[in-house]
Amino acid sequence: DQQVKQNSPSLSVQEGRISILNCDYTNSMFDYFLWYKKYPAEGPTFLISISSIKDKNEDGRFTVFLNKSAKHLSLHIVPSQPGDSAVYFCAATQGGSEKLVFGKGTKLTVNP
Amino acid sequence: DAGVTQSPTHLIKTRGQQVTLRCSPKSGHDTVSWYQQALGQGPQFIFQYYEEEERQRGNFPDRFSGHQFPNYSSELNVNALLLGDSALYLCASSWGTGDLNEQYFGPGTRLTVT
Repeated sequence: DQQVKQNSPSLSVQEGRISILNCDYTNSMFDYFLWYKKYPAEGPTFLISISSIKDKNEDGRFTVFLNKSAKHLSLHIVPSQPGDSAVYFCAATQGGSEKLVFGKGTKLTVNP
Repeated sequence: DAGVTQSPTHLIKTRGQQVTLRCSPKSGHDTVSWYQQALGQGPQFIFQYYEEEERQRGNFPDRFSGHQFPNYSSELNVNALLLGDSALYLCASSWGTGDLNEQYFGPGTRLTVT
């Protein structure tokens, strides 16, 4: 039973355009969500997070939106750069626990 | 400042054998979590160690066990290896205050069971 779902295995966008990565969750007890970026042969790197008390969090080119009623969050990257090409994981947790539940990831390719 | 380090990088074992993977946390961190990432899947939480004790555990059998040493480094042990244990094993470290944004992952150990 997958509690965190990333239904798009891959996404390809042109440099300078917007990248939108989506994530759905089923467990209504999740109250904190994180996005990680992973390059080959490296561990996941924290990118941005959002608490369930917010519906948007922004950090430079990265913005995460949370729609609690739809149990959906999305990561927007504007503008996309070739260096953003990586696998992006959505993760969720509850009650401050460091036990993260991850999605399967979406491979983003940004073409020059 | 060294980040999270893991050893070995790659490992090949035979079914039924036992394996030990090692993790050194980022400097200043005292909490270590282990994850298993099977091919095409996201990381799955195995367990977490803090103050040399297992603090949280995911849905993994008792064949998976761990240890944390006084210097905060950690080992993951897997007994009676199965083909399905083939995966990338990731270690993550953090400071005990539980700031989720400050959890750092190592590059992982790729385990292949034949």
